[in-house]
Amino acid sequence: NAGVTQTPKFQVLKTGQSMTLQCAQDMNHNSMYWYRQDPGMGLRLIYYSASEGTTDKGEVPNGYNVSRLNKREFSLRLESAAPSQTSVYFCASSEWGRRVEAFFGQGTRLTVV
Amino acid sequence: ELKVEQNPLFLSMQEGKNYTIYCNYSTTSDRLYWYRQDPGKSLESLFVLLSNGAVKQEGRLMASLDTKARLSTLHITAAVHDLSATYFCAVETGTASKLTFGTGTRLQVTL
Repeated sequence: NAGVTQTPKFQVLKTGQSMTLQCAQDMNHNSMYWYRQDPGMGLRLIYYSASEGTTDKGEVPNGYNVSRLNKREFSLRLESAAPSQTSVYFCASSEWGRRVEAFFGQGTRLTVV
Repeated sequence: ELKVEQNPLFLSMQEGKNYTIYCNYSTTSDRLYWYRQDPGKSLESLFVLLSNGAVKQEGRLMASLDTKARLSTLHITAAVHDLSATYFCAVETGTASKLTFGTGTRLQVTL
């Protein structure tokens, strides 16, 4: 099983450029998440989607937008990238209500110059 | 606001030694997870702790949860080099199984 698949794995953007990070899961999970990981700060939640058709802000949503395209796919968009958004981005999925762990994608390493 | 604190942040230990990583959190929750991350890799689930007093063991690792003390521990027994990684605890609160992560403990096991 592929689990959670993210694309791209690496990306370099110039300040002000836009891009979309893609995430797809094949575990039929209802909930999906975007986290960012910065050195010394653990992972922080950017946005989440509890179920298809819903999205909500997490701890650090500023500068990002999301789309839950269908049950499988959850994308993260940076409309105007800033150097402060240089980070590693992880998508995750889980089955809310079943008290099971979240599964994570391989991550996207984004550098904004 | 939920705060999750891990200590130590960095741990260098010799093979064969025992040690414990601590995870304290600031609000009520009975759902806590431990993950392992190797450099440049994703997060791998280690343990799912879902009730007060829960104890799980896998190989040289054992995790426990005390919801009254808001404390989880990850105990390492007779460490081996392959356990070198960063370990995160994550507390689940609120709706939609959102996780709040600790800052991680970077474990280095030396020969």
